[in-house]
Amino acid sequence: DIQMTQSPSTLSASIGDRVTITCRASQSISNWLAWFQQRPGKAPKLLIYEASRLQSGVPSRFSGSASGTEFTLTITSLQPDDFATYYCQQYNRDWTFGQGTRVEV
Amino acid sequence: EVQLLESGGGFVHPGGSLRLSCAASGFTFSGHPMSWVRQAPGRGLEWVATINGGGYTTYYADSVEGRFTIYRDFSKKTVDLQMDNLRAEDTAIYFCTKGLYSGRTPPDYWGQGTQVTVS
Repeated sequence: DIQMTQSPSTLSASIGDRVTITCRASQSISNWLAWFQQRPGKAPKLLIYEASRLQSGVPSRFSGSASGTEFTLTITSLQPDDFATYYCQQYNRDWTFGQGTRVEV
Repeated sequence: EVQLLESGGGFVHPGGSLRLSCAASGFTFSGHPMSWVRQAPGRGLEWVATINGGGYTTYYADSVEGRFTIYRDFSKKTVDLQMDNLRAEDTAIYFCTKGLYSGRTPPDYWGQGTQVTVS
């Protein structure tokens, strides 16, 4: 099974900050990596797919990058709506989600 | 507008069964794989099962293999998850999801979820 190790588990930030979340795959997944945002009591929302492709309607302050088996989600200039939990997901073989990163004030 | 509406959740004793259903609309139903993902209270996301667009190939997480079965009904445009021999650790919110495209794909739409409690 492919394991996804996401860090940090919690991140404290302020409005306007640049935020970076990292996910590492236990084996090669090519670029079959997605990022989701989940607000409390809501379903997850797709932000990024194929490691760096921005889903339609998602603000351009969100971006994704990849280097080997390490993947990064970056939020430039954090906005109030961005305080949420973020998950990475590999879909190279079945699906595996990272443990989540809670972005808090 | 894409809509996914789950139903069928509830309370069940260990060893019991439940059948979840997801009514889909707003897209070409046969063109996208459909999956179920669950989230235990206060926990992260766990993939459960996927069925391809044609309905003839299914995939399951090890934790549910042999106990859960995913189906899709093209006439009703529904995706069902039959859950048998339920365990306490199956307690979670179950989300129905639609694949972004065919083949290897993440989910781009999620339903609001239905609660399953095994106790």
